[in-house]
Amino acid sequence: DVKVTQSSRYLVKRTGEKVFLECVQDMDHENMFWYRQDPGLGLRLIYFSYDVKMKEKGDIPEGYSVSREKKERFSLILESASTNQTSMYLCASSLFLVELGAPKAFFGQGTRLTVV
Amino acid sequence: DQQVKQNSPSLSVQEGRISILNCDYTNSMFDYFLWYKKYPAEGPTFLISISSIKDKNEDGRFTVFLNKSAKHLSLHIVPSQPGDSAVYFCAASPNTGNQFYFGTGTSLTVIP
Repeated sequence: DVKVTQSSRYLVKRTGEKVFLECVQDMDHENMFWYRQDPGLGLRLIYFSYDVKMKEKGDIPEGYSVSREKKERFSLILESASTNQTSMYLCASSLFLVELGAPKAFFGQGTRLTVV
Repeated sequence: DQQVKQNSPSLSVQEGRISILNCDYTNSMFDYFLWYKKYPAEGPTFLISISSIKDKNEDGRFTVFLNKSAKHLSLHIVPSQPGDSAVYFCAASPNTGNQFYFGTGTSLTVIP
């Protein structure tokens, strides 16, 4: 089974702090994603990466940056945490091969971040 | 603009009955559609998918129907069980398979 591991389940940070959320996958997947989940808004894509050192902005990249130095690791960085970044953060990885059928994203367990 | 929409935030169903969750999309370039299930404080888990060349895919109690002309898909759960109570997300992916667009989710409650 694919395993996607996020470094923390719960985090509490202060406004203005720099926050690092780490994600590691063990299945050699090319694609990795960071989403945030908020009530009534579903899963919104922050950034994604389709290869090492490559990154693409998603729908809500403002206030975030990412790093992918190794294929298995994708980090989300909150440059200066603000209270409106309090949310559930979800990391995912995926692999798509036509012969395997539909692509699937595999998610980590999520990090509940509270910014006070 | 939301490319995948789930217009029903919540749904309650009696145990043993059918649950029908709906999803609409706007981009005709989507080639794959997926359903995910999410319990509180956990990440979403993959449930079932369908390719745009099909109109139905079945896996046990779960069936997904795709109506491309209406840009609409639905997930049927028969029979519904209390353990099915969760938030269900619809997602769509283009033929590159490297992006996933999610809906806002429907919270399903199955009443024993």
